[in-house]
Amino acid sequence: GDSVTQMEGPVTLSEEAFLTINCTYTATGYPSLFWYVQYPGEGLQLLLKATKADDKGSNKGFEATYRKETTSFHLEKGSVQVSDSAVYFCALTPYGGSQGNLIFGKGTKLSVKP
Amino acid sequence: NAGVTQTPKFQVLKTGQSMTLQCAQDMNHNSMYWYRQDPGMGLRLIYYSASEGTTDKGEVPNGYNVSRLNKREFSLRLESAAPSQTSVYFCASRGRGANTEAFFGQGTRLTVV
Repeated sequence: GDSVTQMEGPVTLSEEAFLTINCTYTATGYPSLFWYVQYPGEGLQLLLKATKADDKGSNKGFEATYRKETTSFHLEKGSVQVSDSAVYFCALTPYGGSQGNLIFGKGTKLSVKP
Repeated sequence: NAGVTQTPKFQVLKTGQSMTLQCAQDMNHNSMYWYRQDPGMGLRLIYYSASEGTTDKGEVPNGYNVSRLNKREFSLRLESAAPSQTSVYFCASRGRGANTEAFFGQGTRLTVV
């Protein structure tokens, strides 16, 4: 079945460092891809999304590009801040799954030190 | 703008007790979901409802029941709580279409002793 695999955490970076969190997926056709972020004590919220191959999603300085050839959707940010400390989840909705499952990776915890 | 509202926020149960987690959304979404979040396991889908009147099992449905009471409300019931059900539970809703955003509640932290 469809699945999402993301890099194990935790990831600890210094402020202004470059961030990459890897995400790969297994799915038939063209799923929609998402990154969600969870701040401490809160629910998840959408960070960015991409719905077709070569699309780039971006928000708050974060970017991810939908790579069909490598089935990947890696999250990047050029200069992280302490306020970016959170858990990041890669997710997909299956192709044609307009009302069905939203499948998540296991999450990657990011800690940014001043 | 309330979004997705879950109650309660915290709950402690004794083994064998029952309880219902409530979830309501005010965005007129068709799909609603219940997830549990455990350390190192990410989010695992318990049940979802693609539309009013329908429910489907997710990855970990055993020990749970759900009711889609109407378009707004989707409840999760534990009939006989077990320590393995200690977790943080999230309700979510989503509009129509594969690329639509899911909105999450703040979560319910449940401890079963």
